[in-house]
Amino acid sequence: EVQLVESGGGLVQPGESLRLSCAASGFTVSSNYITWVRQAPGKGLEWVSFIYSNGGKDYADSVRGRFTISRDHSKNTVYLQMNSLRVDDTALYYCASPTAAALWGQGTQVTVSS
Amino acid sequence: NFMLTQPHSVSESPGKTVTISCTRSSGSIASDYVQWYQQRPGSAPITVIYEDDQRPSGVPDRFSGSIDSSSNSAFLTISGLKTEDEADYYCQSNDNIFRGVFGGGTKLTVL
Repeated sequence: EVQLVESGGGLVQPGESLRLSCAASGFTVSSNYITWVRQAPGKGLEWVSFIYSNGGKDYADSVRGRFTISRDHSKNTVYLQMNSLRVDDTALYYCASPTAAALWGQGTQVTVSS
Repeated sequence: NFMLTQPHSVSESPGKTVTISCTRSSGSIASDYVQWYQQRPGSAPITVIYEDDQRPSGVPDRFSGSIDSSSNSAFLTISGLKTEDEADYYCQSNDNIFRGVFGGGTKLTVL
């Protein structure tokens, strides 16, 4: 089955770090465009970051300098390293290859609270 | 950067056709592809339209996408409405350096 599975979410305090993982099966992450999208409670979708097959990457202004996207070809996994987390980073985080592949994960919850 | 504006909500009866608009605030709607995502309550989004008018496999042909340069808008049309189509729908495009921009979402009620 072709799928993306996120993991690594949890409850942390402001200023702490988390690393989210997006593991792919039946699909090669290094050959495709992968994006992270988040959804705060009761809110709409917000784009967070992408990584292209050629390695190009970028971030939303709200996370630039704090979040880092990367991938491991051997593990067929994309990561989102999140440092200096803030209360307003609380959200359900999805990884996706949303265009031709039309793939979305089920999401992993990140809660930042003191 | 630009914004994508969607109506907050739309409603229509089963069997009818509904069209959801997504208007780009600046720059041409044709300058980058538009995607549409469906999100049912408590579920992850799914892609129903990509690259303006392409339908992923498994998405019914009742779903169609288009863009109109005169109104600088993209449109998602759902025909033969079913109660299962009731969901939030989001449009999305990219800016000139490929950063994603989402519309605020439209709640579709099928009543």
